Amino acid sequence: AQSVTQLDSQVPVFEEAPVELRCNYSSSVSVYLFWYVQYPNQGLQLLLKYLSGSTLVESINGFEAEFNKSQTSFHLRKPSVHISDTAEYFCAVRALRGSARQLTFGSGTQLTVLP
Amino acid sequence: NAGVTQTPKFQVLKTGQSMTLQCAQDMNHNSMYWYRQDPGMGLRLIYYSASEGTTDKGEVPNGYNVSRLNKREFSLRLESAAPSQTSVYFCASSDTAMNTEAFFGQGTRLTVV
Repeated sequence: AQSVTQLDSQVPVFEEAPVELRCNYSSSVSVYLFWYVQYPNQGLQLLLKYLSGSTLVESINGFEAEFNKSQTSFHLRKPSVHISDTAEYFCAVRALRGSARQLTFGSGTQLTVLP
Repeated sequence: NAGVTQTPKFQVLKTGQSMTLQCAQDMNHNSMYWYRQDPGMGLRLIYYSASEGTTDKGEVPNGYNVSRLNKREFSLRLESAAPSQTSVYFCASSDTAMNTEAFFGQGTRLTVV
């Protein structure tokens, strides 16, 4: 079984400041890693994913995440946030082996960008 | 592009009532899922269907049943609703390959009074 820990439930940050949302996972097998974003009253949308290869992955709207196998982390970063980035962010893992194909989610981090 | 469609969007039930949440996807995905979202707990898997004709329990299956009606549709039934089932319910689908992401519906906000 795998688990995901998002260390911060709420992160307030001023517009144009950098932000890091932390995610640590636990799994007995190798995993794929995902970040999803949820805007108010909407479903979840994929932000970015790590499957293999380069440990740094980027999204089209300026977010990036780095897979660190030794620290079992997949932190999400953005060098300069906008008001429109206000949303809840979920880290998720999926094991490469085993009977389960489902995603296991963290508890979420509410990012609030202040003017 | 419809993607994953859930109905209804909102529902209020009295304790003991039953209802079925409907979900349909038009992406020809094999796998479908039902999650519930509660504050501070993220999304927890209720049931999933890896392929048409199969269903399996997730993390929190008690009080729920599911039916994979065909490849497109996956319904969630509450036989006797309880206040603890007040939540936002999300249906999702994905391709069978493990390296693909899940696509989510807009959610159903259910209140049991």
